[in-house]
Amino acid sequence: GAVVSQHPSWVICKSGTSVKIECRSLDFQATTMFWYRQFPKQSLMLMATSNEGSKATYEQGVEKDKFLINHASLTLSTLTVTSAHPEDSSFYICSAVDRTSSYEQYFGPGTRLTVT
Amino acid sequence: ILNVEQSPQSLHVQEGDSTNFTCSFPSSNFYALHWYRWETAKSPEALFVMTLNGDEKKKGRISATLNTKEGYSYLYIKGSQPEDSATYLCAPDNYGQNFVFGPGTRLSVLP
Repeated sequence: GAVVSQHPSWVICKSGTSVKIECRSLDFQATTMFWYRQFPKQSLMLMATSNEGSKATYEQGVEKDKFLINHASLTLSTLTVTSAHPEDSSFYICSAVDRTSSYEQYFGPGTRLTVT
Repeated sequence: ILNVEQSPQSLHVQEGDSTNFTCSFPSSNFYALHWYRWETAKSPEALFVMTLNGDEKKKGRISATLNTKEGYSYLYIKGSQPEDSATYLCAPDNYGQNFVFGPGTRLSVLP
């Protein structure tokens, strides 16, 4: 199957700083990438849908100025958590899909963010 | 946003028992339905993707069926094993809109 990588796999940062998480499709071109967040004891929550070359579509309740998403190429999307606070500590996971050729959605391994 | 429901929310079965879960979703603009096996803080493991009404898929002891007209899918596990313990997520895809996960069914298989 296709491979999606995420970097970093875990990060600890201080409150008020910004953190960038990268999501890469390694062996296919991702027309669409999704960003999810896992809240404790809950299912994965979709944060935003990102189509290459266009602005991300954010789900209701997700602050677009706080969670900056960029999908500048068909193999890379980034999520930047700006001015992070402890409540932003979570597990963030991306997924990628090539809508032109497949139904499959491929997941990255996730990034554990801890804000102190 | 898609309204996806899964039931039951959680269940406990004995090793060797067979079990099944339900996923219900809006039938309009249906494109595909995905089932995943998921453990917390890990990447979901894809089980099935189904696209056609009446689809049936099987992978080992796990199988799934799909009814796109009424908007539901069943996941079956035959002869449950402790290693089957996980959360099973369904995710309908209505193409170009959203790709959202249901709340999941948390399965615990007791040895």
